[in-house]
Amino acid sequence: DIQMTQSPSSLSASVGDRVTITCRASQSISNYLNWYQQKPGRAPYLLIHGTSGLRSGVPSRFSGTESGTAFTLTIDSLQPEDFATYYCQQTYSSPLTFGGGTKVEIK
Amino acid sequence: EVQLVESGGGSVQPGRSLRLSCAASGFTFHDYAMHWVRQAPGKALEWVAGISWHSDNIGYADSVKGRFTISRDNAKNSLYLQMNSLTTDDMAFYYCAKDSVWFGEFISHGYFDHWGRGTLVTVSS
Repeated sequence: DIQMTQSPSSLSASVGDRVTITCRASQSISNYLNWYQQKPGRAPYLLIHGTSGLRSGVPSRFSGTESGTAFTLTIDSLQPEDFATYYCQQTYSSPLTFGGGTKVEIK
Repeated sequence: EVQLVESGGGSVQPGRSLRLSCAASGFTFHDYAMHWVRQAPGKALEWVAGISWHSDNIGYADSVKGRFTISRDNAKNSLYLQMNSLTTDDMAFYYCAKDSVWFGEFISHGYFDHWGRGTLVTVSS
């Protein structure tokens, strides 16, 4: 099984900060890496697909990049509505796996 | 508008069974693979099972293999999850999710573009 190791598990940031979340795959997953945002009591919501494809309607302050088996979600200029938990997911092979999540909290 | 509505959750004793349903609308259900994803309270997301558009290609997480069965009825626009031999480790919110790939297998390198609100399964004696 492919393990997805997400870091940090939590972080505190202020409105306007730049935030970076990393997800490392235990083996090559090509670019089949997606990012989801989840707010308390809500279902996950797709933000980025295929490493860097921004979902229609998602603000451009969200971006995704890749370097080998390390994938990064960046939020430029954090907004109040961005405080949530973020998950990466690989869809390269079965079982599909998610990272452990990163909770972004208000400093 | 795509809508996925889960039902069938509830409280059961360990060792018992439960069947979850997911009613889909707003898209051509039979054209897409579907998935179940669960989340124990305060924990991370865990993919449970996936099924191709034609039901010929199915996959499960190791944690549920042999106990859970995913199925679909394209005529009823519905997805199901039969859960047997439930344990306390199965206690979670269960979400159904639509795959993004048209006529995709359950592994199609896509993403989950729509999710239901979830149904809670509680396992307790």
